[in-house]
Amino acid sequence: KNEVEQSPQNLTAQEGEFITINCSYSVGISALHWLQQHPGGGIVSLFMLSSGKKKHGRLIATINIQEKHSSLHITASHPRDSAVYICAVLWETSYDKVIFGPGTSLSVIP
Amino acid sequence: DARVTQTPRHKVTEMGQEVTMRCQPILGHNTVFWYRQTMMQGLELLAYFRNRAPLDDSGMPKDRFSAEMPDATLATLKIQPSEPRDSAVYFCASGSTHRGLGETQYFGPGTRLLVL
Repeated sequence: KNEVEQSPQNLTAQEGEFITINCSYSVGISALHWLQQHPGGGIVSLFMLSSGKKKHGRLIATINIQEKHSSLHITASHPRDSAVYICAVLWETSYDKVIFGPGTSLSVIP
Repeated sequence: DARVTQTPRHKVTEMGQEVTMRCQPILGHNTVFWYRQTMMQGLELLAYFRNRAPLDDSGMPKDRFSAEMPDATLATLKIQPSEPRDSAVYFCASGSTHRGLGETQYFGPGTRLLVL
């Protein structure tokens, strides 16, 4: 069993739909990152969170430390949101080892 | 517009050759990370530095890989000798924090390495 799992693995949505991507993990963590990797390969850090909720534009990230679960929501999805979304957890060791999820490939169709 | 730069962007080499990848972190950032991405393994952390000191390189094959920060504006990742299984995209990222990995990281465009 992988320490970090994401669901769904692949997602196709119509423009305008509300999208949720889930990340669950099995280790104690100090923080969690959501990353976005564009079709060209570039990676952007979207959020770093250790509790509660963060919002940036149409993106919302939540985390429940007790349940070891985080969600990334996209409201009013747009074709430019098409990318791979990767969850990365900072494993609570002395130097916070990073464990990456397998990624969720999102395609938003006009 | 501050950004992390990496050179070269693409590298094709033959097995056994030395490969050096370079990264210029964003000015003022005190943490630098090296990641590797492959289709099979996804993203993996190879090494990271804080204030130029290596803090964790447990993800890096020690026999052939080495990572250094000769100064605050340059990080290097070397592979010697290179092997076909090293073919991957190598990303560098930098951040600014006193705690290490707990803040936003800014990724470079990556070096796409192919070892024949």
